[in-house]
Amino acid sequence: KAGVTQTPRYLIKTRGQQVTLSCSPISGHRSVSWYQQTPGQGLQFLFEYFSETQRNKGNFPGRFSGRQFSNSRSEMNVSTLELGDSALYLCASSLAPAESYEQYFGPGTRLTVT
Amino acid sequence: EDKVVQSPLSLVVHEGDTVTLNCSYEVTNFRSLLWYKQEKKAPTFLFMLTSSGIEKKSGRLSSILDKKELFSILNITATQTGDSAVYLCAVQDTGNQFYFGTGTSLTVIP
Repeated sequence: KAGVTQTPRYLIKTRGQQVTLSCSPISGHRSVSWYQQTPGQGLQFLFEYFSETQRNKGNFPGRFSGRQFSNSRSEMNVSTLELGDSALYLCASSLAPAESYEQYFGPGTRLTVT
Repeated sequence: EDKVVQSPLSLVVHEGDTVTLNCSYEVTNFRSLLWYKQEKKAPTFLFMLTSSGIEKKSGRLSSILDKKELFSILNITATQTGDSAVYLCAVQDTGNQFYFGTGTSLTVIP
């Protein structure tokens, strides 16, 4: 069974631009969560999607948004990029939030904002 | 403010030693506590704990939760160099929010 895949793996953007990251969950998984990992703040929860609906959102500004498609693939968008948005963005999938919290993480997208 | 604190921040041990990693939390509406191992890639799931006093074991790793004192420990016995990693503790609340600690960096020397 293929694992969680994220594209692109590396990305360099300049301040003010926007970026879209993609995550394909493990086949059969319907829940996708996004996290930001930085050396200073550690791993922080961004949001979770289940059945195309955002279930909850972490403490991030509105520049961070996401969506989930009917095939459970998810995208995350960051608009008006700031230097502080440079981080590893991790996506994790699970069967369903209410049934299983064992999350499987993807390899991440390393975003660098210059 | 909800938070998760892990200690120690880093640890260096010799192969064969036993280590105990700590995680304390202050999270309203606790649902579960999770442990992850992160090497030079994405975190991998180790344990999920929801009930106090019930030890979960997987090989040389074990973990237990104390919901009264609001902490969990992760034990690793007979450590090996392959155990070198950052160990992350996370708490999930009933609103399905996750709060992560900053991790404990474990280095096992041959």
